[in-house]
Amino acid sequence: DQQVKQNSPSLSVQEGRISILNCDYTNSMFDYFLWYKKYPAEGPTFLISISSIKDKNEDGRFTVFLNKSAKHLSLHIVPSQPGDSAVYFCAASEGQAGTALIFGKGTTLSVSS
Amino acid sequence: DGGITQSPKYLFRKEGQNVTLSCEQNLNHDAMYWYRQDPGQGLRLIYYSQIVNDFQKGDIAEGYSVSREKKESFPLTVTSAQKNPTAFYLCASRLGGTIEAFFGQGTRLTVV
Repeated sequence: DQQVKQNSPSLSVQEGRISILNCDYTNSMFDYFLWYKKYPAEGPTFLISISSIKDKNEDGRFTVFLNKSAKHLSLHIVPSQPGDSAVYFCAASEGQAGTALIFGKGTTLSVSS
Repeated sequence: DGGITQSPKYLFRKEGQNVTLSCEQNLNHDAMYWYRQDPGQGLRLIYYSQIVNDFQKGDIAEGYSVSREKKESFPLTVTSAQKNPTAFYLCASRLGGTIEAFFGQGTRLTVV
């Protein structure tokens, strides 16, 4: 059974608008959450993370929100740019390095100009 | 430059042959991981290693084997027992006490 779920396979947004990517998890032991961006035939690159002691983390145009009671997190990209078009993966882990990072299936974001 | 290197980028093998994918990192990271990506499946964990000479199975370890004889190296062998070996394989590493994992550029394995 999937422990990390990204239920929207794709999202289309106009340039300048907000992109909201969603992620749900089932394992209440997860305490670190990450977002990665991936282009075809390349490795994922880290975007932003959040620990379970916070409910928001912001880095430039990227903000991640965590709702522990709902086991839900979201990535907001404002404003969206055509270069943001990629596959976005949500990942979670119990604890820090050494434990496994569990990924969702990804959401393909398309930003049109 | 520090980083994580996977080689080769493209690999072709005949069905029934074992093949080993290389993953090397010079970041002095403790943990290393192997993932497989298939269309619509996201990244699925094959094996991971927290320290030298120790590793754990992930969700889809059947048909794969690994070794961790050196901190900087974590090769993955795709054996003939793996039913659907054609996929994009990704290696990652993570420093102890941190959250972020760094990924290599991947190896596209095609079995014909």
